[in-house]
Amino acid sequence: EAQVTQNPRYLITVTGKKLTVTCSQNMNHEYMSWYRQDPGLGLRQIYYSMNVEVTDKGDVPEGYKVSRKEKRNFPLILESPSPNQTSLYFCASSLRLAGEQFFGPGTRLTVL
Amino acid sequence: AQSVSQHNHHVILSEAASLELGCNYSYGGTVNLFWYVQYPGQHLQLLLKYFSGDPLVKGIKGFEAEFIKSKFSFNLRKPSVQWSDTAEYFCAVNEGDTGTASKLTFGTGTRLQVTL
Repeated sequence: EAQVTQNPRYLITVTGKKLTVTCSQNMNHEYMSWYRQDPGLGLRQIYYSMNVEVTDKGDVPEGYKVSRKEKRNFPLILESPSPNQTSLYFCASSLRLAGEQFFGPGTRLTVL
Repeated sequence: AQSVSQHNHHVILSEAASLELGCNYSYGGTVNLFWYVQYPGQHLQLLLKYFSGDPLVKGIKGFEAEFIKSKFSFNLRKPSVQWSDTAEYFCAVNEGDTGTASKLTFGTGTRLQVTL
């Protein structure tokens, strides 16, 4: 089954404790993105990747890092999480530049 | 920068009522347009998309949208809503001719509540 998976689905952590949210897709898509969803703000792009080893900032990259060492994986790293990063995070992938994005199930992160 | 406006933040309709959700964008060039739906507790799913051709696009579950270039709009419609359409709806726009990766700009969403 074609899908985007994320882990963990739920995470509660404390300020400053480094964490990684994994994202994997099995559709051989070149393009992958991370979004955060906050009430009243919709989805905002954090980072995106056009291919292996090619990443770029989205609209709200501060406090986040990403890497793309393999085509299928695109982890999101919070080196020192803060409470304002409490949010619902979605990973997405797409086949081409201007195409439909396939979303993962989301990771609900709470930073205390 | 591209912006996408969804003016209806929360819409409450009775079953069988007609639905129209507004979406306006700011980019003046070629665009690709999408409507995504997020059912409670679930991830986003594509409802319909417009790349080119017939500006009236039909999607899943009886939804349709009309691209009006002169108005920078891509409104979502459904003639008769069902209780199962209760969800949050997001309009999204991709600048089709700039090659800016797969960057989608989303609107803030419209929460649709359908009552029995």
